[in-house]
Amino acid sequence: GQQVMQIPQYQHVQEGEDFTTYCNSSTTLSNIQWYKQRPGGHPVFLIQLVKSGEVKKQKRLTFQFGEAKKNSSLHITATQTTDVGTYFCAGRGASGSRLTFGEGTQLTVNP
Amino acid sequence: DTGVSQDPRHKITKRGQNVTFRCDPISEHNRLYWYRQTLGQGPEFLTYFQNEAQLEKSRLLSDRFSAERPKGSFSTLEIQRTEQGDSAMYLCASTSGDSEAFFGQGTRLTVV
Repeated sequence: GQQVMQIPQYQHVQEGEDFTTYCNSSTTLSNIQWYKQRPGGHPVFLIQLVKSGEVKKQKRLTFQFGEAKKNSSLHITATQTTDVGTYFCAGRGASGSRLTFGEGTQLTVNP
Repeated sequence: DTGVSQDPRHKITKRGQNVTFRCDPISEHNRLYWYRQTLGQGPEFLTYFQNEAQLEKSRLLSDRFSAERPKGSFSTLEIQRTEQGDSAMYLCASTSGDSEAFFGQGTRLTVV
């Protein structure tokens, strides 16, 4: 079955440093989504990538979808304390199939 | 529409009891997902529906778990003969097709 893996599991940074989390799927994806979950909260949608090689930006966040549509990354420039939380990627195989989440990367930002 | 609602928010039950959770999705969403999440882990897929049809159920899921979505609106997740290992946050999410998933606040189950 489809597996989605994320690294690293944890990342501690000083405020102002950059942060990157990587996501890899065992199968080709039709699309990939990224979510953020704050402590005690539920996952909240950030973005969806659909096209091979797609790059999208949201302020300090940059999302990439690999050419083979099997991997993705999220990069945060100059982290802030408000970036604290766990970032999940979630991949969908064929259109209409299940949405499978990775294990997440827990980001801690030290002020 | 206030988003995805789950009820109850918390449930404490004794081992061996049955529990049922309810999820009310965003009204125009045709897909509904159930996930289970434990501390430090990602949401683990349990099952999902498109309208009233249950399209997929995790192979890892015990037959003590069953879900329904009558009339393609709200959904229920029942766990029979609960075990301590069932303790987790149970999350429901809904989507319109392949679009973003909107999650409810979850039901936290504690089996004692």
